Amino acid sequence: NAGVMQNPRHLVRRRGQEARLRCSPMKGHSHVYWYRQLPEEGLKFMVYLQKENIIDESGMPKERFSAEFPKEGPSILRIQQVVRGDSAAYFCASSHARTNNEQFFGPGTRLTVL
Amino acid sequence: AQSVTQLDSQVPVFEEAPVELRCNYSSSVSVYLFWYVQYPNQGLQLLLKYLSGSTLVKGINGFEAEFNKSQTSFHLRKPSVHISDTAEYFCAVSPPGADKLIFGTGTRLQVFP
Repeated sequence: NAGVMQNPRHLVRRRGQEARLRCSPMKGHSHVYWYRQLPEEGLKFMVYLQKENIIDESGMPKERFSAEFPKEGPSILRIQQVVRGDSAAYFCASSHARTNNEQFFGPGTRLTVL
Repeated sequence: AQSVTQLDSQVPVFEEAPVELRCNYSSSVSVYLFWYVQYPNQGLQLLLKYLSGSTLVKGINGFEAEFNKSQTSFHLRKPSVHISDTAEYFCAVSPPGADKLIFGTGTRLQVFP
């Protein structure tokens, strides 16, 4: 039973380009969470999605960031016009049900903006 | 709003020695409490969690934690550490009914031979 999959594991972009991060939840999980880990900091919640719905995006920056979790396929975190401050590790987690069910984390995508 | 404080950014310890990693939280409501471990270049793995009941929680890899409501603490302990315990440890809270986890800044445990 595969765990949470994230790709790519490493992504390098130049300022102004777009970054697309993908997350495939564990089999049977329909709840996806995205977290960002800046250097020397803990993880910060960004967004919580269920299939085709954004449930909580209170941690998402107001501009350039968007997330989706379509009916078919992985969840996508998109960052448009990246800046150096976007360099971080982005982790995806999934759970079977909402509300304090254990979240299983993927290995993360490390984004470097040159 | 909730917050989590991990006072020790690094904890060096010799193999087979006991260790305690401290975690304090702030919240106006009851919360659920978690400890996660992150090995280099990997995602987070749940060590243990406190939802209710006994305040002493046992987790994987010989770790345990004790919930102290009066001191708003949830310190992680292991009586005898191994080299393989070298990793980053994160304490997190989640209010009942909420979906997101709120993490501390992490404690790097370095075990020396």
